[in-house]
Amino acid sequence: GENVEQHPSTLSVQEGDSAVIKCTYSDSASNYFPWYKQELGKRPQLIIDIRSNVGEKKDQRIAVTLNKTAKHFSLHITETQPEDSAVYFCAASVNTGGFKTIFGAGTRLFVKA
Amino acid sequence: KAGVTQTPRYLIKTRGQQVTLSCSPISGHRSVSWYQQTPGQGLQFLFEYFSETQRNKGNFPGRFSGRQFSNSRSEMNVSTLELGDSALYLCASSFNQGAAGELFFGEGSRLTVL
Repeated sequence: GENVEQHPSTLSVQEGDSAVIKCTYSDSASNYFPWYKQELGKRPQLIIDIRSNVGEKKDQRIAVTLNKTAKHFSLHITETQPEDSAVYFCAASVNTGGFKTIFGAGTRLFVKA
Repeated sequence: KAGVTQTPRYLIKTRGQQVTLSCSPISGHRSVSWYQQTPGQGLQFLFEYFSETQRNKGNFPGRFSGRQFSNSRSEMNVSTLELGDSALYLCASSFNQGAAGELFFGEGSRLTVL
């Protein structure tokens, strides 16, 4: 079945450094790749997404890259701030007559001030 | 516009009981998905409904079921509860017509099975 693997599970960086989270997906029919941020005790919220016809997308300090051939996609956060500390989930969505969004296991990011 | 509303927010059940959770999507959203969230396991896909039809189902046993009503509100039911069913159950609604899009999550229903 569909699977999304996410690495690392935990990431600790110094404020101002960059953070990179990597994901791979198994279903080559996946065509939408969102990233969600979940702060402690809160609901997951979309921070950026990319569709399969685009290789890279940037929004201020965050960017996502997609390599369809390798079935890899990555989240890049530059100039990290303490408020970036949260759990980040990658996901892959496939159209199976409906839309099925499969999530990775999450990366807990700690940004040390 | 009101967000996704889930009820109840917290509940405690004992093994063998059943539970029903409710989700009201954002107005205009006809797609509702359910996820189980446990520490270290991320968000596990349960099912997706659109216009009262289950379009997708995850790898959960038949004890997990759901339905969607004509007003797009959705319920999920877990029968014969087991200790391992303790989790945060998240509902998400989406416009999802023609192309996959953003999932808008509710705050979740936290189920504890004793």
